[in-house]
Amino acid sequence: ETGVTQSPTHLIKTRGQQVTLRCSSQSGHNTVSWYQQALGQGPQFIFQYYREEENGRGNFPPRFSGLQFPNYSSELNVNALELDDSALYLCASSLGDRENYGYTFGSGTRLTVV
Amino acid sequence: AQSVSQHNHHVILSEAASLELGCNYSYGGTVNLFWYVQYPGQHLQLLLKYFSGDPLVKGIKGFEAEFIKSKFSFNLRKPSVQWSDTAEYFCAVTSPSGTYKYIFGTGTRLKVLA
Repeated sequence: ETGVTQSPTHLIKTRGQQVTLRCSSQSGHNTVSWYQQALGQGPQFIFQYYREEENGRGNFPPRFSGLQFPNYSSELNVNALELDDSALYLCASSLGDRENYGYTFGSGTRLTVV
Repeated sequence: AQSVSQHNHHVILSEAASLELGCNYSYGGTVNLFWYVQYPGQHLQLLLKYFSGDPLVKGIKGFEAEFIKSKFSFNLRKPSVQWSDTAEYFCAVTSPSGTYKYIFGTGTRLKVLA
């Protein structure tokens, strides 16, 4: 098992800029979910991709968007960054779009917006 | 809307003390329940999960949790903690009816004193 790999590990951006975060899912996993974990909070669901299609979305504005590629890796894009977007962004992969299969989390990308 | 409450935000224990972390959820239907642990600098790892059957669930590293449906609770327990259990613990819930996203609690930060 290679686990879930996220890049970069840390990032500093200026308010108004755009950012792309990347995630390589665990080998054999076809589902990727993204979560935002603000300081002192639990992770909040952003969206999930299953076989390259968005398969559910949390309460995040459209400036949060994503992609899943044929190799099941994924990107999270955030446009027009705001200070409140500063958080740890977690990617989780699984085999199938039901949690019964079990999710594997990456270590996250810590985004700081200044 | 579903929510998860973890009432203990910070817990400090001495080694060999017993641990119980509270978790309550608000959802009237069938749920799947999880406890995750995040060691310092590491990714979220699954400790244990409950889908159905025996309400007393045993997980890794000597942890267990009891699902009490009437109390909407899924408390995590360990009879004797070790210094290496120092970590943040998250309770999470999903609905098996199709909302494949985790709803996480805000987490409990456990510090075990050697």
